[in-house]
Amino acid sequence: AQKITQTQPGMFVQEKEAVTLDCTYDTSDPSYGLFWYKQPSSGEMIFLIYQGSYDQQNATEGRYSLNFQKARKSANLVISASQLGDSAMYFCAMRPSNDYKLSFGAGTTVTVRA
Amino acid sequence: GAVVSQHPSRVICKSGTSVKIECRSLDFQATTMFWYRQFPKQSLMLMATSNEGSKATYEQGVEKDKFLINHASLTLSTLTVTSAHPEDSSFYICSARDFAGGQGARGYTFGSGTRLTVV
Repeated sequence: AQKITQTQPGMFVQEKEAVTLDCTYDTSDPSYGLFWYKQPSSGEMIFLIYQGSYDQQNATEGRYSLNFQKARKSANLVISASQLGDSAMYFCAMRPSNDYKLSFGAGTTVTVRA
Repeated sequence: GAVVSQHPSRVICKSGTSVKIECRSLDFQATTMFWYRQFPKQSLMLMATSNEGSKATYEQGVEKDKFLINHASLTLSTLTVTSAHPEDSSFYICSARDFAGGQGARGYTFGSGTRLTVV
């Protein structure tokens, strides 16, 4: 079974600064996919970024980048130039190669201060 | 892009009644639908997985007779909370895996969620 760990329940960040959200995972599967989602207070799940376990380069999507360290089994999300609208809960998730189920971490609440 | 329409967004029902939540994939065929439950400030907990035309697979600890899932077509899946009680109050959200299983959100599209309150 896969386990996703997000150790930061809440974080505060100043507007325009960068913030790193930690995510570690545990799997014996050699092939897997890693996801980050944003969930604002409205509840919708917004896909941010994806990293495949065999991808050679770290994924980037606009202000979002994923710091993928396979040997350490970590997939930290970096949000650059934080905006007030980035205040939300962020979830790390993983999908193994042999299943379509996503396993989610506990989430990190980010609050951006003006 | 792919869209999953989930209704209702909010529902308040009396204890003992049943509530149906619908998820429709609007522009793609959802071969698999996942149903999650989420308590405030907590993670998404997978309740069940449904595939079109077959019985849903429930996660351990989820009462299949209480949470009825029907995936009658490639574009519609429903979750019915039967004989609802206050402890069933939660946020329920669906996620569809599209037929091609790739691109964009890497094959997963979430509904906007349903906030259920049982009084």
